[in-house]
Amino acid sequence: GEDVEQSLFLSVREGDSSVINCTYTDSSSTYLYWYKQEPGAGLQLLTYIFSNMDMKQDQRLTVLLNKKDKHLSLRIADTQTGDSAIYFCAETGGFQKLVFGTGTRLLVSP
Amino acid sequence: ETGVTQTPRHLVMGMTNKKSLKCEQHLGHNAMYWYKQSAKKPLELMFVYNFKEQTENNSVPSRFSPECPNSSHLFLHLHTLQPEDSALYLCASSQPPSDNEQFFGPGTRLTVL
Repeated sequence: GEDVEQSLFLSVREGDSSVINCTYTDSSSTYLYWYKQEPGAGLQLLTYIFSNMDMKQDQRLTVLLNKKDKHLSLRIADTQTGDSAIYFCAETGGFQKLVFGTGTRLLVSP
Repeated sequence: ETGVTQTPRHLVMGMTNKKSLKCEQHLGHNAMYWYKQSAKKPLELMFVYNFKEQTENNSVPSRFSPECPNSSHLFLHLHTLQPEDSALYLCASSQPPSDNEQFFGPGTRLTVL
């Protein structure tokens, strides 16, 4: 079945890079997504990568996809305190279906 | 108002109460979704509506009853809930064919006593 796994927690210092990892199971996923959830808010789409790509860069965000190992990562350069949030990885689980991980809580300390 | 809005933001109800959650999207999308977010569990898709028609019911108990009167409004009617139904209920919308780019509202934090 479909399953998306993430580590629960990551703590970094302001200015460092953060790397959030995700493993997924459905090799037929067309797109893979990263969403951000700030306290008291809904999920915000950060970026996504098409399954035939290895890497996508968008300003401070870099997404790496290893399709062979079904591993996705999100790197945030120069992490700021405003980046503190929960980050969800998601894969396409069929038409109009996203399968989400449990989320990684990122804590950025000054 | 922009994006996806949800009301109320917080709701406390007893197991015998009847209440409704409201979602409105201002994006011109034609697909709307209800998700349940419980602590330490992945988001669970509950219902999907396309052009006001329900196209997905993910084995949700009948004490949750969705309603979609038009493409921009979605309701979730609640009755005789259980304490384990306490969660954050998120609404989302998308525009076919980009259906996996979903835009989320802030959610309603529901507590069932």
